[in-house]
Amino acid sequence: DIQLTQSPSFLSASVGDRVIITCRASQDISSYLAWYQQKPGKAPKLLIYAASTLQSGVPSRFSGSRSATEFILTISSLQPEDFATYYCQQLNSYPRTFGQGTKVEIK
Amino acid sequence: EVQLVQSGAEVKKPGESLEISCEASGYIFSNYWVAWVRQMPGKGLEWMGVIYPDDSDTRYSPSLQGHVTISADRSISTTFLQWNRLEASDTATYYCARQNYYGSGHFAMDVWGQGSTVTVS
Repeated sequence: DIQLTQSPSFLSASVGDRVIITCRASQDISSYLAWYQQKPGKAPKLLIYAASTLQSGVPSRFSGSRSATEFILTISSLQPEDFATYYCQQLNSYPRTFGQGTKVEIK
Repeated sequence: EVQLVQSGAEVKKPGESLEISCEASGYIFSNYWVAWVRQMPGKGLEWMGVIYPDDSDTRYSPSLQGHVTISADRSISTTFLQWNRLEASDTATYYCARQNYYGSGHFAMDVWGQGSTVTVS
């Protein structure tokens, strides 16, 4: 199975901060990676697919990038509604594994 | 509107059987893979498996294969997740999600059900 390692697992940030979350794959997955946001008690929401393509309706402050097996989710200016847990998922092969999650909390 | 609506919360005893459902609407059910994702209390997301309703092609996570069964009924646009013998460790929230295809081999889970909470105790 392909392993995805997210870092950090937890981060504390303020409104307006630039936030960077990293997801590293255990092997080459090309750009077959998606990012999701989950708020407490709610279903996950798709933010980005194909490593860097913004899902329709998602604010442009979210962006994704890739360098080899390292993927980055950037929130350019953190907003109050962005405090949540973020997951990466690889869709290169089965099983479609997730990263362990990064919880973004208010400083 | 494209949506997935899941069945309600369940409380069961160890050893009992259970089937939860996920009804699709607003799109052609047979043409999209539907996945199931587990979230144990306070934990992250775990991909369980996926089914293509058109031909019932199914893939499972190796860690769960044999413990759960995923099926689909095209006549009612519904996907099912079934256990024959529940264990306490099956206590979790289960989500179904549509796996959309964006071209060039790219997939992502773009529509999610609201979740079904299963308690085994």
